[in-house]
Amino acid sequence: GDSVTQMEGPVTLSEEAFLTINCTYTATGYPSLFWYVQYPGEGLQLLLKATKADDKGSNKGFEATYRKETTSFHLEKGSVQVSDSAVYFCALSGEGYQKVTFGTGTKLQVIP
Amino acid sequence: DAGITQSPRHKVTETGTPVTLRCHQTENHRYMYWYRQDPGHGLRLIHYSYGVKDTDKGEVSDGYSVSRSKTEDFLLTLESATSSQTSVYFCAISMGQRETQYFGPGTRLLVL
Repeated sequence: GDSVTQMEGPVTLSEEAFLTINCTYTATGYPSLFWYVQYPGEGLQLLLKATKADDKGSNKGFEATYRKETTSFHLEKGSVQVSDSAVYFCALSGEGYQKVTFGTGTKLQVIP
Repeated sequence: DAGITQSPRHKVTETGTPVTLRCHQTENHRYMYWYRQDPGHGLRLIHYSYGVKDTDKGEVSDGYSVSRSKTEDFLLTLESATSSQTSVYFCAISMGQRETQYFGPGTRLLVL
């Protein structure tokens, strides 16, 4: 079945540091890929998505590229801020399935 | 923000009692989902609905039932709550099966 693997957290960075959160997936065909973010005490919200190979999703300075050859969708940001502190979830929606598979989440803490 | 509300937001109950959580949407989205979030497990799908009176099981459906009698409401019932059902429960909605999911604010349930 479909699965998503994220790097273990927590990740602690200083403000303005470069961020990478790794995500790899297993799925048949061409799934849609997502990054969701969860701020403390809130539900998840979409950060960015990509629906086909080589697509780049971007939002709020975050980027991720759909790499079919490496089955990856790594999240990057060039300069993190304290306000980026949250839990980040990688997810996929497989072909023909009525559900989304989520990774276990990576907690990011940005310190001033 | 998508119009999704969950009630109650917090609940404490005793083992063996029935509990019903409500999800209400104002977006007229076809798909609705119930997830639970637990440390180390990310989000796990309990049940989902793809239309009025059309529901199906997710990966952790044992001990839970759902009903959807109107497009806007999706109810999750714990027939006889157990301590293992202590969790944070999230409702989500989407227009299509591979589309972005929009999450409610969550319900924190404690079963003593």
